[in-house]
Amino acid sequence: AQSVTQLDSQVPVFEEAPVELRCNYSSSVSVYLFWYVQYPNQGLQLLLKYLSGSTLVKGINGFEAEFNKSQTSFHLRKPSVHISDTAEYFCAVSYSGGYQKVTFGTGTKLQVIP
Amino acid sequence: DVKVTQSSRYLVKRTGEKVFLECVQDMDHENMFWYRQDPGLGLRLIYFSYDVKMKEKGDIPEGYSVSREKKERFSLILESASTNQTSMYLCASRRTSGSSSSGTDTQYFGPGTRLTVL
Repeated sequence: AQSVTQLDSQVPVFEEAPVELRCNYSSSVSVYLFWYVQYPNQGLQLLLKYLSGSTLVKGINGFEAEFNKSQTSFHLRKPSVHISDTAEYFCAVSYSGGYQKVTFGTGTKLQVIP
Repeated sequence: DVKVTQSSRYLVKRTGEKVFLECVQDMDHENMFWYRQDPGLGLRLIYFSYDVKMKEKGDIPEGYSVSREKKERFSLILESASTNQTSMYLCASRRTSGSSSSGTDTQYFGPGTRLTVL
């Protein structure tokens, strides 16, 4: 069975500092990996996804993530955060193709401090 | 622009009431999902549907049912609402991909319905 672990429930960081949000997954087969962001009082929207190919994936708003198969990780990074990045971030995993369900992590709240 | 809409942003119901949450997508997606979101628990899948009139139980289906009579609409039903069903409910849709590089496995979410059961 697939599962996702987000190790940090909250991450405070000063504005313009770099940030890394950690995500580890477990699955015995090929997977798709996603990061979603949820701004206050809104639904989730896709930041980036890894389907295949290059292990470094670039997303919207300056975020990127690196797929590491040996460490079963998909950490999200941004070199310089802004106040507007304050949100909750969810890592998710699914099997490739079809209607297989997506399993979400418990979320990491990023709080950017001015 | 893709769109998933949910019938209500906020809903307050009493214990024992029958509650309907509606979700509509305009992207002709085959798959639709209902999640509930609770602090510290992330998103948990209640039910999903991969075609009209087809449904599959997710991780926490107890106390819920669903209906998908048309491709664009997926309804979540609480037959007899209870206080432990107070939560944020999120609907999502997704295309069925034909290959691993098709890039069609993004889920598109609605804005959510915050349900309070008193």
